[in-house]
Amino acid sequence: QSVLTQPPSVSGAPGQRVSISCTGSNSNIGAGFDVHWYQQFPGTAPKLLIYGNINRPSGVPDRFSGSKSGTSASLAITGLQAEDEADYYCQSHDKSLSSWVFGGGTKLTVL
Amino acid sequence: QLQLQESGPRLVKPSETLSVICTVSDDSISTTNYYWGWIRQPPGKGLEWIGNISYSGTTYYNPSLKSRISMSVDTSKKQYSLNLTSLTAADTAVYYCARGPRGEDWFDSWGHGALVTVSS
Repeated sequence: QSVLTQPPSVSGAPGQRVSISCTGSNSNIGAGFDVHWYQQFPGTAPKLLIYGNINRPSGVPDRFSGSKSGTSASLAITGLQAEDEADYYCQSHDKSLSSWVFGGGTKLTVL
Repeated sequence: QLQLQESGPRLVKPSETLSVICTVSDDSISTTNYYWGWIRQPPGKGLEWIGNISYSGTTYYNPSLKSRISMSVDTSKKQYSLNLTSLTAADTAVYYCARGPRGEDWFDSWGHGALVTVSS
């Protein structure tokens, strides 16, 4: 069981907005550690999507946005496209575990 | 553009030691600007951080794996490596190497990954 909890799956129709939550605790997100998000297509390596809670690396469309509040963070995708169908992982740091930690991952299905 | 390439055996026996090498395509491994990490992903499952190493050899390991891990860096070869001892079937996974900016805790570049199977 992951320290950071994500819904196993979310879905949405093309053009819609979806949100993926990442719930932690006062030992990680709530302690002030940043949250980062990765996108992973089947059979490929993860790709950095959001870093430092809200920042997009060069080349990531502004349809992707991140936020953080309290012990949780969220990844929002607007104007959903078929090519967004992938697995999404959040990542942070946990001070009790003295470890970097990942969420369990969320599979996004575009209907 | 930076490329990272994992290499090593794809099949290892239980109780043996896994050695995986990551080769870096540019000279960034010789600078203080980055750290170098390992992450693994069992088939069909999520990501697990293994540990990081700096160009000077300073390491930071996942406590849950610390007793079985060692990492090293060879800047002259543009390589860094992971050794994982006392393997069990639970260590079967895709092993990724990745780079992150110094002082930060994310990975901005990843290798393609190497599937390592632990089986007799």
